[in-house]
Amino acid sequence: NAGVTQTPKFQVLKTGQSMTLQCAQDMNHNSMYWYRQDPGMGLRLIYYSASEGTTDKGEVPNGYNVSRLNKREFSLRLESAAPSQTSVYFCASSEATLLTSTYEQYFGPGTRLTVT
Amino acid sequence: AQSVAQPEDQVNVAEGNPLTVKCTYSVSGNPYLFWYVQYPNRGLQFLLKYITGDNLVKGSYGFEAEFNKSQTSFHLKKPSALVSDSALYFCAVRDMGGYSSASKIIFGSGTRLSIRP
Repeated sequence: NAGVTQTPKFQVLKTGQSMTLQCAQDMNHNSMYWYRQDPGMGLRLIYYSASEGTTDKGEVPNGYNVSRLNKREFSLRLESAAPSQTSVYFCASSEATLLTSTYEQYFGPGTRLTVT
Repeated sequence: AQSVAQPEDQVNVAEGNPLTVKCTYSVSGNPYLFWYVQYPNRGLQFLLKYITGDNLVKGSYGFEAEFNKSQTSFHLKKPSALVSDSALYFCAVRDMGGYSSASKIIFGSGTRLSIRP
C-alpha cells in the first residue's frame, strides 16, 4: 500500500514553461486535493476534487488547472510558470463523504518546484 | 466561516517535560477537529481527530488532544516530550460550508515544536 504518491519529487522550470504534477492514491478515496506550502504561509488549497468527475477551486487557483483523470489520479498543471509559483506542492486524499465521519486527509511526500 | 488559530509560532520544551501546542477554533455547529505533524522535507501526517464523544482524544506517537467546547480550544498534549517530537504541527477543522466544500479541511498556520535534549 503506497498511499499517496507524487511525481516528480523535484523540478526546476524557467519562467513561461509548463509542466504537470502527477498524483495517485491507492486507498480508494473519493476526494483529492492540491496544496502549496510556502514559508510562513502554512498550507493553501489550490484545487480539490470532492469526487470523481468534479473539481473545484480552492483558495489560490490562479495560474493552475487540474484534471481528475479517474478515482485514483489527480493532476495539477502549470500552463505558464512564474517565479511566484516556486513552492512545495502537496497532494492529499480523503475518504470524505456526507455519509461518513472520515474526513482526515492523507498526504503525499511533496514536489519541490523552483521557477527561475 | 470556519477557522483555526495557532497562537504560537514556536514552542520550546526540554526532553522529558510535558508539552502543549495550542489551537483555538471558530465554527458554526459541531466541529470536526484534527492535528497533523510535518517532519522536515516530508508530507503532513495525520495524528488524531475529534468528532464527538470523549473530550480527550488519543492519537499516534503518544499524543493526545483535549477538546474544550466552552473555550473553543483543541490543544495537543504529550506527557513526556522526546527529541524526535521536534517538528511542525498543524491544527485543522473541517469546512462545514455546504456540500461542495464538505470534504475540505482548513489548516492553521502551524507551530514549530522544538525539544531540547
